[in-house]
Amino acid sequence: DAKTTQPTSMDCAEGRAANLPCNHSTISGNEYVYWYRQIHSQGPQYIIHGLKNNETNEMASLIITEDRKSSTLILPHATLRDTAVYYCIVRVATGANNLFFGTGTRLTVIP
Amino acid sequence: GAVVSQHPSRVICKSGTSVKIECRSLDFQATTMFWYRQFPKQSLMLMATSNEGSKATYEQGVEKDKFLINHASLTLSTLTVTSAHPEDSSFYICSAEGSGNTIYFGEGSWLTVV
Repeated sequence: DAKTTQPTSMDCAEGRAANLPCNHSTISGNEYVYWYRQIHSQGPQYIIHGLKNNETNEMASLIITEDRKSSTLILPHATLRDTAVYYCIVRVATGANNLFFGTGTRLTVIP
Repeated sequence: GAVVSQHPSRVICKSGTSVKIECRSLDFQATTMFWYRQFPKQSLMLMATSNEGSKATYEQGVEKDKFLINHASLTLSTLTVTSAHPEDSSFYICSAEGSGNTIYFGEGSWLTVV
C-alpha cells in the first residue's frame, strides 16, 4: 500500500513555481522520498529523491521537513510540458525494493 | 540517468493468441526488473518482480501461467501474455534499478486485444 498522501489535483500558472505537497507521516528512518511524474501515455519519469536534506537538480527541488513527515516538490518555473501526474513515493533504497504508486497529484499548468 | 527501453510500444493481437513484450536496460545491468500494469485513469499496479536467472515473484491475484516472465540476461526481461483476452488490454510498463538505487521506467507498451 502507498504510504503517502497527496492532493488529487492542482493548477499552476505557466512560468510560476509549482509546489506539490506530500505527506508521509509513517516514513521509516531508512526510507527515501522519491518523486516521479507520468505524462499521458508514457512511462513514469524519475525527478528527484532525498533522505532528509533538501535536494536540487536540473528538474526540481525537494524540500523535506525536519521531522521527515512531509515534503514538497518544487518546479521553479512551470511550463505546459510539466502537466502530468506527480507521484510521491517512499522507498528503502537498498535491495530490490519496488515502488508502490498511490494516486498521485494531477498537475495542470495553465497558459 | 539510466535508460530502460520497451518493445513494442504498441501491439494489437487477436483474442486467444500470445504476445511478448521486451524490457531492456540499455546502459546498465539489472538483476531485478519490475513489471507493472496500468488501466486508464488508474495508477500503476505491480504485477511481478523479475529476477535474473530465477523465477519471477508474482503479486497476489496475478496469474503466473498467464503472464510469463523470463529474465534470461542482465539486460533483458520479457513478459508474455498468453491466451490474451480483451480484458488484458492495458498499458504494461517495466522498470529496473540503475545507479544510485534509483528505479527507471521504460516507455510502456500498449496492448490491445481484439
